[in-house]
Amino acid sequence: AQTVTQSQPEMSVQEAETVTLSCTYDTSESDYYLFWYKQPPSRQMILVIRQEAYKQQNATENRFSVNFQKAAKSFSLKISDSQLGDAAMYFCAYQNLANSKLTFGKGITLSVRP
Amino acid sequence: KAGVTQTPRYLIKTRGQQVTLSCSPISGHRSVSWYQQTPGQGLQFLFEYFSETQRNKGNFPGRFSGRQFSNSRSEMNVSTLELGDSALYLCASSLLADETQYFGPGTRLLVL
Repeated sequence: AQTVTQSQPEMSVQEAETVTLSCTYDTSESDYYLFWYKQPPSRQMILVIRQEAYKQQNATENRFSVNFQKAAKSFSLKISDSQLGDAAMYFCAYQNLANSKLTFGKGITLSVRP
Repeated sequence: KAGVTQTPRYLIKTRGQQVTLSCSPISGHRSVSWYQQTPGQGLQFLFEYFSETQRNKGNFPGRFSGRQFSNSRSEMNVSTLELGDSALYLCASSLLADETQYFGPGTRLLVL
């Protein structure tokens, strides 16, 4: 069974600074997707970024980028120029291509200091 | 394009009752998945429907069931509610079964 681990329960960053959220996963599959989702206090789960395992290039979406290390099974999210609106819970998730089930980590609460 | 919608947004039930939650996917999306979110267990996969067929099911008791209609709208039903069923129930839709999932706002269920 696949597992996703987010070992840091909380992190804090100063506005305009950069922060990196860590995630590791375990799988025996060679092809899969990895995601970061953001869940603000409204509880709406919002897609931040997606990485396909077969792509060596790290995904980027504006201020959000990932560091995908397939051999190490590591998938970290870097948020640049942090904004107050980035404060939320962030979940790392794994998706096996054989089915659509998402396996989530326990999440990390990010706070942004003005 | 309108996002995933879920109704109702909030629900209070008592133990032993049953509840039905509804999810309307993004237009054109054919796959709908359901997740339960609790503080203790985190996010757990319930089941996934694609073209009116249940493709996958998580490790939940038979009290949890679902279905999908021809217009891709989905419902999930929980019978004989227990206190532990109190949770945020999230629905997600995707274009195809193994594509990126987009989530609705959730239904918050409180069982008293």
